[in-house]
Amino acid sequence: DGGITQSPKYLFRKEGQNVTLSCEQNLNHDAMYWYRQDPGQGLRLIYYSQIVNDFQKGDIAEGYSVSREKKESFPLTVTSAQKNPTAFYLCASKPGQGADYEQYFGPGTRLTVT
Amino acid sequence: EDKVVQSPLSLVVHEGDTVTLNCSYEVTNFRSLLWYKQEKKAPTFLFMLTSSGIEKKSGRLSSILDKKELFSILNITATQTGDSAIYLCAVARNTDKLIFGTGTRLQVFP
Repeated sequence: DGGITQSPKYLFRKEGQNVTLSCEQNLNHDAMYWYRQDPGQGLRLIYYSQIVNDFQKGDIAEGYSVSREKKESFPLTVTSAQKNPTAFYLCASKPGQGADYEQYFGPGTRLTVT
Repeated sequence: EDKVVQSPLSLVVHEGDTVTLNCSYEVTNFRSLLWYKQEKKAPTFLFMLTSSGIEKKSGRLSSILDKKELFSILNITATQTGDSAIYLCAVARNTDKLIFGTGTRLQVFP
């Protein structure tokens, strides 16, 4: 089955700890994205990558870091510098560059930091 | 500043009703507008609209774009409880980035 997987589904961490969220796709898509979704708000772009070994900051990159060492993987690290890390995190991917393709989303990871 | 605004924020209807969801935008370098349905987790793709006035249809769902007035509508006829979800509108610019609206939460009761 082709698709995007995110793990874990639920994650609990203590304040001050870094945590890494996994995103893997076997769709052979070039571009991958990380979004954050908070109640009452739309999806906000954290980071995106259009090609292996390259990534760009989105609108709310502060307190987050990413890597893109392999085409199929785009892990997101939520660092202790992120002031409000509790949120629902969605990973997406898209074939090729350019805006003529829709993004496909993974099932998300709900992160709770206390 | 680029923005996408959806209305209403929330909608409660009975099965069989017809609903219209609105999405207006102010975005530079507009390329396309997309609609997604989000039930519990992953948003699923519904439509991509690039040209004005051409209706896209899938079963009971349809959508149309007006590039002059900068808005799109998503219609759902004969609603069912399975249509209950958050409907997200997003605009793609001439980049690989999408700008999302806040979504419309639709609840359909039997």
